[in-house]
Amino acid sequence: DADVTQTPRNRITKTGKRIMLECSQTKGHDRMYWYRQDPGLGLRLIYYSFDVKDINKGEISDGYSVSRQAQAKFSLSLESAIPNQTALYFCATSETPGLGANEQFFGPGTRLTVL
Amino acid sequence: RKEVEQDPGPFNVPEGATVAFNCTYSNSASQSFFWYRQDCRKEPKLLMSVYSSGNEDGRFTAQLNRASQYISLLIRDSKLSDSATYLCVATTGFQKLVFGTGTRLLVSP
Repeated sequence: DADVTQTPRNRITKTGKRIMLECSQTKGHDRMYWYRQDPGLGLRLIYYSFDVKDINKGEISDGYSVSRQAQAKFSLSLESAIPNQTALYFCATSETPGLGANEQFFGPGTRLTVL
Repeated sequence: RKEVEQDPGPFNVPEGATVAFNCTYSNSASQSFFWYRQDCRKEPKLLMSVYSSGNEDGRFTAQLNRASQYISLLIRDSKLSDSATYLCVATTGFQKLVFGTGTRLLVSP
C-alpha cells in the first residue's frame, strides 16, 4: 500500500461548487503539505501543517482552506471552485528535521478540473 | 525573480551521453538542497540531496556552490529511463521547500 494516498485521483466539477481533497499517510510524519502544480509554474505551496494543531498559509492560500483532522490526515477544501483552480494537486509529508529540511514524500496527486 | 530558477529545456540527448543541469537560488539563507525527479503526470520523488562537498550516487553527481548560489546535477551514461523532469529544490528560512519549475530531459535511442 502507498505511504501517502490522495482521494479522489481525478475530479471534474463546476464553478461555485465546494470541493474537498483528502490526504492520508501511514509514514508517521508530523509535517504535511498541500501543493498545486501548473504548467510552467512548477509546484507552489498552498498550506502546510507542522503538527496536528498547527496550520500555516503558503504562497497561494487564497480560495483554499485546510483541516488537519489527525496526524495522518490533512484535507484541502475549495469553498467555491473557480476555473483557474484547475490544476494537479499534491499532498506531501516529511519528518520534523533537526536542521535544514528533510525529504518530502508525495502522494500520487489529484487532477482537478473546474468548468 | 523566482526563488529557484532552472532552464526548462527540453534537453534532447542520445543514450550514453552526459548531460548537466544547472539551477540558481536567491535565498542566501537556504540550508538544504535537493534534486527531485518527476515522470509525466506522476508525483515528484527524491533523486538526491545536495551537500556542500558534492555527492555522487551511481551515474548522478550533484554539486553545490554556496558563494554563487548555484546547484548542478550531472548525469553520465544517460539511459532511456532517465527521461523525466528534474526539479531543483531549496529551503526557505521556515524549513519549507521551494521548487524550481523543472528541466525536462529526453533521452533518445
